[in-house]
Amino acid sequence: GNSVTQMEGPVTLSEEAFLTINCTYTATGYPSLFWYVQYPGEGLQLLLKATKADDKGSNKGFEATYRKETTSFHLEKGSVQVSDSAVYFCALSFITGGGNKLTFGTGTQLKVEL
Amino acid sequence: KAGVTQTPRYLIKTRGQQVTLSCSPISGHRSVSWYQQTPGQGLQFLFEYFSETQRNKGNFPGRFSGRQFSNSRSEMNVSTLELGDSALYLCASSVTGEQSPLHFGNGTRLTVT
Repeated sequence: GNSVTQMEGPVTLSEEAFLTINCTYTATGYPSLFWYVQYPGEGLQLLLKATKADDKGSNKGFEATYRKETTSFHLEKGSVQVSDSAVYFCALSFITGGGNKLTFGTGTQLKVEL
Repeated sequence: KAGVTQTPRYLIKTRGQQVTLSCSPISGHRSVSWYQQTPGQGLQFLFEYFSETQRNKGNFPGRFSGRQFSNSRSEMNVSTLELGDSALYLCASSVTGEQSPLHFGNGTRLTVT
């Protein structure tokens, strides 16, 4: 079956540090890939997505590139802020029965300190 | 534009009872999906509805059911509650569901005692 593996958290960084959160996937075929972010007490928000190999998704300074050869979609940001503290989820989906079913990783908590 | 609204925000129920959770999608969105979030299992897909029809279903027992109304609002029902059903239940809506972005509500926190 399809699965997503993320690095364990929490990840603790100082403000302005470089961020990488690793994500790899197992899937039959070529899924679309997503990063979602969850702030405390809230639902998930779509951060960025990529729908085919070598696509780069980007938003709010975050980037991730769909790497088919390594089945990876690592999240990066050049300079994190305290406000980036949240839980980040990597996810994949296929068009299944005409619908949209997301398979999520376990989430990685990011803590950014001053 | 109003976001996805889930009610209630918090629920406390006793084992054996049943519960109904409600979700109002973003106006114009016709697909509604439900996810269960727990510390142990993470985020797991429950089901998806589109135009009042269940289009996808996850691997949950039949105690978990849902429906969608003609105005796209959706309800989720859990019967014969078990302690393990304690979780954050998230609803997400999208325009068509076919890989269009999901917009999540803030969830309903269900505690089963």
